[in-house]
Amino acid sequence: EVHLVESGGDLVKPGGSLRLSCAASGFIFSDYNMNWVRQAPGKGLEWVSSIGSSSDYTSYADSVKGRFTISRDNAKNLLSLQMTSLRDDDTAVYYCAKYSRGSCLTCPLDFWGQGTLVTVSS
Amino acid sequence: EIVMTQSPATLSVSPGERATLSCRASQSVGTRLAWYQQKPGQAPRLLIYAVSTRATGVPARFSGSGSEADFTLTIGSLQSEDSAVYYCQQYNNWPPWTFGQGTKVEIK
Repeated sequence: EVHLVESGGDLVKPGGSLRLSCAASGFIFSDYNMNWVRQAPGKGLEWVSSIGSSSDYTSYADSVKGRFTISRDNAKNLLSLQMTSLRDDDTAVYYCAKYSRGSCLTCPLDFWGQGTLVTVSS
Repeated sequence: EIVMTQSPATLSVSPGERATLSCRASQSVGTRLAWYQQKPGQAPRLLIYAVSTRATGVPARFSGSGSEADFTLTIGSLQSEDSAVYYCQQYNNWPPWTFGQGTKVEIK
């Protein structure tokens, strides 16, 4: 059974940094491209970042480009999101999500973690 | 960036009745359109992909249709457990992947 478990969410001041993690199990993590998607309180879903299965590519939403860095450790089945220069509008629940097929980019997101809450406030 | 627009924002339907949700893309996304269901406090769940293919375990009362830029999610006979927010997502043009703003389905 696929499991994605996010951690690392916290209350942080504007301008601060935070590192999120997503522990994956139940599938061959190293075969799958992965994503981070966020949801501000009471709002819709916003794609944040994607990474290739072997870290061969990364991509970011314009809203986080230059501030967030996605990475992965396939030996540990771990996906990470390093967030710097945090702003109030980064406040959201952050979900990690896998594509439905391993090396696919143009595929839906078939499993999501339960999310971790990041609150940016002074 | 492809903009996804969902309507209505809220839909109130009696149990057993049909619910019809719409999703429009600002340009063609072919058949790369998915629907997700999100209940309060839960992560999104993939319902439908490739316009009309139900994900594993999704009841047959959920169906999708449409093409190019106009899509519909139909809940054939609404059950109480279908109360949720439903999002469409295009995965044809990337980056970024884009979602609609959601339709909240309420049970009358």
